Amino acid sequence: KQEVTQIPAALSVPEGENLVLNCSFTDSAIYNLQWFRQDPGKGLTSLLLIQSSQREQTSGRLNASLDKSSGRSTLYIAASQPGDSATYLCAVRLARGTSYGKLTFGQGTILTVHP
Amino acid sequence: EAGVAQSPRYKIIEKRQSVAFWCNPISGHATLYWYQQILGQGPKLLIQFQNNGVVDDSQLPKDRFSAERLKGVDSTLKIQPAKLEDSAVYLCASSSMGGPSNEQFFGPGTRLTVL
Repeated sequence: KQEVTQIPAALSVPEGENLVLNCSFTDSAIYNLQWFRQDPGKGLTSLLLIQSSQREQTSGRLNASLDKSSGRSTLYIAASQPGDSATYLCAVRLARGTSYGKLTFGQGTILTVHP
Repeated sequence: EAGVAQSPRYKIIEKRQSVAFWCNPISGHATLYWYQQILGQGPKLLIQFQNNGVVDDSQLPKDRFSAERLKGVDSTLKIQPAKLEDSAVYLCASSSMGGPSNEQFFGPGTRLTVL
């Protein structure tokens, strides 16, 4: 059974800092990995999707890396802003077994960026 | 393009009562998902529909939860009778097809509180 763990559970930083969110998964046979953002009272917004054959994806100030063999992904946020405050979720899709193609989520990292 | 719509946004009920949630997916999306997100955890898949047929309901507590997707468009999720541990956000998502390469789009969710 795939398990996804995110560290840290919560993070509070001053505006302007660069920060790293971590995600680890137990089964390396993944199809892809996706980072989502969740704002209070709202649904999930997809930030970056990394296919299993890729090493990283970039969008603006966000960069996500994937090391499939070690079961790890990191989300790097450059020059953080108060508007980045949200919960960040990592999710993987397995490439085999009964959970093939299903999204398995981590518990999320609550990020607070204060002015 | 309109996103995934859900109603109600909030619901408060007492234990042993019944409740129903409604979801309208993105137009043309064949696959619809219901997730349960308990506070402090990532979303967990409850049921997946492909058109009006059930693809996966392995994590749906069938003694109290039921879901349907008549005509392959809108869907309802029902809980009867509700328990305290059902307090959660219920997220609906849709995708054009059900495969792992098809991105899921999430609605804003329904926050259920069971007293």
